[in-house]
Amino acid sequence: AQSVTQLDSQVPVFEEAPVELRCNYSSSVSVYLFWYVQYPNQGLQLLLKYLSGSTLVKGINGFEAEFNKSQTSFHLRKPSVHISDTAEYFCAVSNFGNEKLTFGTGTRLTIIP
Amino acid sequence: GAGVSQSPSNKVTEKGKDVELRCDPISGHTALYWYRQSLGQGLEFLIYFQGNSAPDKSGLPSDRFSAERTGGSVSTLTIQRTQQEDSAVYLCASRWEWESGELFFGEGSRLTVL
Repeated sequence: AQSVTQLDSQVPVFEEAPVELRCNYSSSVSVYLFWYVQYPNQGLQLLLKYLSGSTLVKGINGFEAEFNKSQTSFHLRKPSVHISDTAEYFCAVSNFGNEKLTFGTGTRLTIIP
Repeated sequence: GAGVSQSPSNKVTEKGKDVELRCDPISGHTALYWYRQSLGQGLEFLIYFQGNSAPDKSGLPSDRFSAERTGGSVSTLTIQRTQQEDSAVYLCASRWEWESGELFFGEGSRLTVL
């Protein structure tokens, strides 16, 4: 079975500062990894995904994430955040051949002006 | 419509009553998922439909929960004899058959059980 751990439930960051949201996964087989974002009062949307190839993936709104197989991590980063990045961010994993996505408990990113 | 449509957007019911939640996926999407979102609990997988294959029901929390998908399109999630712990936002998502992982979510149905 697969699982995802997001250790930080809330992350406050000053505007224009860098941010890293942590995600670790557990799986006995190869995985696909995803970050989804949920803006206030909106549905979830895909931010970025890793399926294969380069371990550094870039997504929308200047976010990027790096797949680290040895550390079973897929941390999300942005060099400079804006007020509009205030949202809840969810990491998710699925196994090759099994399209069920397992989500983490989410990290609420709050931008401080 | 262009996106995943869910109804009702809000439902308040009394403990013990049955409720039905509806999901209209994006046209052409063969895969459909139901998740439950509770405060502080993240997204909990409930059930997954893919084409004509048997659904993956491994996430349904009890036999009070059931779901069907008619004609490979619209899906209904039914909760019988609702309990207060069923209060949550129920999210539906769909995707293309060959597009791994990119789920398109609806805005959810917020269920409150009094």
